[in-house]
Amino acid sequence: QQQVKQSPQSLIVQKGGISIINCAYENTAFDYFPWYQQFPGKGPALLIAIRPDVSEKKEGRFTISFNKSAKQFSLHIMDSQPGDSATYFCAASKGGGSNYKLTFGKGTLLTVNP
Amino acid sequence: DAGVTQSPTHLIKTRGQQVTLRCSPKSGHDTVSWYQQALGQGPQFIFQYYEEEERQRGNFPDRFSGHQFPNYSSELNVNALLLGDSALYLCASSLLERDEQFFGPGTRLTVL
Repeated sequence: QQQVKQSPQSLIVQKGGISIINCAYENTAFDYFPWYQQFPGKGPALLIAIRPDVSEKKEGRFTISFNKSAKQFSLHIMDSQPGDSATYFCAASKGGGSNYKLTFGKGTLLTVNP
Repeated sequence: DAGVTQSPTHLIKTRGQQVTLRCSPKSGHDTVSWYQQALGQGPQFIFQYYEEEERQRGNFPDRFSGHQFPNYSSELNVNALLLGDSALYLCASSLLERDEQFFGPGTRLTVL
């Protein structure tokens, strides 16, 4: 059972455009939703995270939108740059400061063309 | 301040052998989690250690075992290696009372 579904599998965006990656979850106990960025040959790097008490969180060019009723959340990358080309993973956990295991989506390969 | 470190970087083993992977968490962190990432997939949770005890475990067989030392570093052991164990093994470091997990660069294990 895949508890976190991520789409699209791959995405090509022009420099300066907006990249949007979507995730949906099934477990209503999840209450911590991070996004990770992974470059080839490297470990995932924590990008930004959100909890269900807010509908949006912005850090620089990265924004998470969260829809609790739909059990969906998305990552928006504004003014996408070639250096943003990487694989992005959404994840979810029970959170609440309990450091519960992370359940990951399958990833989205983002390519930003110059 | 060094981040999460893992060793070795790469490892090649044959079926049936045993392997030990090592992880040192970020300074000040007390909790270590291990994940397996197959090619083209998201990381899958193996287990988590806190205070030298296994605190949570994912859906992995008993061939996968671990240990945490008093200095919070950790080892992942895999016995009787199978071809399907070929993957990137990631260690994540955190504080027990916080949700954020920070990953190391991983160890690439190839089983021939």
